Amino acid sequence: KQEVTQIPAALSVPEGENLVLNCSFTDSAIYNLQWFRQDPGKGLTSLLLIQSSQREQTSGRLNASLDKSSGRSTLYIAASQPGDSATYLCAVPTNFGNEKLTFGTGTRLTIIP
Amino acid sequence: GAGVSQSPSNKVTEKGKDVELRCDPISGHTALYWYRQSLGQGLEFLIYFQGNSAPDKSGLPSDRFSAERTGGSVSTLTIQRTQQEDSAVYLCASTLGTSGGEQYFGPGTRLTVT
Repeated sequence: KQEVTQIPAALSVPEGENLVLNCSFTDSAIYNLQWFRQDPGKGLTSLLLIQSSQREQTSGRLNASLDKSSGRSTLYIAASQPGDSATYLCAVPTNFGNEKLTFGTGTRLTIIP
Repeated sequence: GAGVSQSPSNKVTEKGKDVELRCDPISGHTALYWYRQSLGQGLEFLIYFQGNSAPDKSGLPSDRFSAERTGGSVSTLTIQRTQQEDSAVYLCASTLGTSGGEQYFGPGTRLTVT
């Protein structure tokens, strides 16, 4: 059974700093890994999708990496801004070829102005 | 539409009543998912529809929960005889249905059972 862990559960950093969020998963036979952000009381916004054949994916100030063999992914946020404050979730398909997602419990990020 | 929409955004119901939650996926997306986000429980999968295939109902917590998808588009999640533990945010997502597709989520329905 796939299990996804995100550490830390909460993180506070001053505005302007670069930061890294971590995600680990137990079953490396995945199709892809997706990073989301969730603002309080809102749904999930997709940030980045990394296919299993990729090692990195970039969108603006965000860079996600994937190391399937070690069961890890990181989300790097450059030059953080107060608007980046949210909960960040990673998710992987539950079984290879099955697209229902198993989610981590998230990292609640606070950017201090 | 531009994205996945869900209605209602909030629903308060009395214990024992039935509720229906609606999801409109992105036009052209063949796969549709329902998830539940409970306080302290994280996000859990409920049910998955892909085209005309039989739905994957493996995540439904009890037989009080059911869902249908009419015409391959709109989906309704029904909870019968609601219990307080059903209180959660119910999220719907859709994808193009090709393997490895990005899932797009709606804003969710917050259900409170009193």
